[in-house]
Amino acid sequence: DIVMTQSPDSLAVSLGDRATITCKSSQSVLFSSNNKDYLAWYQQKPGQPPKLLIYWASTRESGVPDRFSGSGSGTDFTLTISSLQAEDVAVYYCQQSYSTPLTFGPGTKVDIK
Amino acid sequence: EVQLVESGGGLVQPGGSLRLSCAVSGFTLSTYEMHWVRQAPGKGLEWVAWISSSASAIYYADSVQGRVTISRDNAKNSVYLRMNSLRAEDTAIYYCARAGLDREVTTGSFDLWGQGTKVIVSS
Repeated sequence: DIVMTQSPDSLAVSLGDRATITCKSSQSVLFSSNNKDYLAWYQQKPGQPPKLLIYWASTRESGVPDRFSGSGSGTDFTLTISSLQAEDVAVYYCQQSYSTPLTFGPGTKVDIK
Repeated sequence: EVQLVESGGGLVQPGGSLRLSCAVSGFTLSTYEMHWVRQAPGKGLEWVAWISSSASAIYYADSVQGRVTISRDNAKNSVYLRMNSLRAEDTAIYYCARAGLDREVTTGSFDLWGQGTKVIVSS
């Protein structure tokens, strides 16, 4: 199974500042056939289902604000919120779909400092 | 409106069974692969099961393998999760989720989620 780890477990950022979350996979999630990393990022607010932010490591889902960006390849990935807004307070998860079982990271809680 | 609506959750005794349903609307179900994902109280997300668009391929998490069956009826716009031999550790919110497509290529991500249905396994 591919194990996903995230750091930090939680972070507090001032409004307008940058928030950076890292995600590591225990093996590469890069598909050589199409050169796509099968890594997605989700945002989950209390009492709500997760919301897809990023897929293929760096492709922003339609309707997601451009302050959210994803980067990385292979085994190391980053989600960046360029200017944190109050509505960004949530738990963020990474997820790999390179192989079954599909696995999620443990989550990173983002709060306002 | 494009949406997924789960139902069928509830309180069940250990060893019992439940059938969860996911009603889809606003899109053509037969085009999409579908998944079930669960979240135990206060915990993270756990993928449970995956069914291809035609049901020709099905995959399960090890934690539910042999106790759970995913199925779909594209004509009825529904996806199902039959759960048997339920255990306390199956207590969770169960989400139905759609596999995303980008120019007809499956992205591996879940681009549409339902609100979930709560399953509580307790005596």
